[in-house]
Amino acid sequence: AQSVAQPEDQVNVAEGNPLTVKCTYSVSGNPYLFWYVQYPNRGLQFLLKYITGDNLVKGSYGFEAEFNKSQTSFHLKKPSALVSDSALYFCAVRRAVMNRDDKIIFGKGTRLHILP
Amino acid sequence: DAMVIQNPRYQVTQFGKPVTLSCSQTLNHNVMYWYQQKSSQAPKLLFHYYDKDFNNEADTPDNFQSRRPNTSFCFLDIRSPGLGDAAMYLCATSRGSRWGQGDTQYFGPGTRLTVL
Repeated sequence: AQSVAQPEDQVNVAEGNPLTVKCTYSVSGNPYLFWYVQYPNRGLQFLLKYITGDNLVKGSYGFEAEFNKSQTSFHLKKPSALVSDSALYFCAVRRAVMNRDDKIIFGKGTRLHILP
Repeated sequence: DAMVIQNPRYQVTQFGKPVTLSCSQTLNHNVMYWYQQKSSQAPKLLFHYYDKDFNNEADTPDNFQSRRPNTSFCFLDIRSPGLGDAAMYLCATSRGSRWGQGDTQYFGPGTRLTVL
C-alpha cells in the first residue's frame, strides 16, 4: 500500500530564513510526487510535482523540492520565506503504474507559520 | 481563465435535509473528483468520474451520491446530511490522458457545508 508521511504538524520560520517542509513516502515501484498549498477556506493549489528526470523540481512562488529515492523523501524548500507563505502544505504520492484506478494519497498536512 | 468552479461557497442545511453541491470546469478534463476535508485534515476521496465511468471509494457512505451529466459538470448529493457530514467539500479535475498517473489535480475553492 502506498502512504505519505509529513512528520511535522507545524513548522515555524522567521521571515527571510530558508524553510523546509518534510515529506517521506512509501510506494511499490516508482512514485509520482506532488506538493499542494492550501490557504484558509480555499481549495488546494498545485505547487510542483516530480514525475521523472531531474531530482530537483522547481515550482510556483519560488518553491522547490528534491526527490531523494534512497531516502524516499520529497522535502519542500524555499530559500527565503515570506509571511505570505504561511499556509497548510500537503505532500501527495501516486504509483507510477498503468492503472487508472490508483489514486493520489495525501499526507496529513504541515502548517507553516512565517514569523515577521 | 480555465478553472474549477464550485457553488455555493458556503452551504447551510438542516439535519436530514438533502443538499446538492455543484462543480463545473472549463479545463475540458476527463476526470472529476469529489473530496471531503475536515478541520484542516488531509482531503479524503469520496469518488471520481473518469469520463462517464463512476468510481466509488469503498468507505464512502451510501448517503453520498454523485452525478456527472456532461464533461463540464459534476454534482455531489448528500441524501440525509448528519452532523458528521459538516466539512469542506472539494472538487478537483485532472486531464486523464492515457492512465494519467502523473496528471496534476486542479482543485476548486471548495464548498463549506454546515449542518444544523
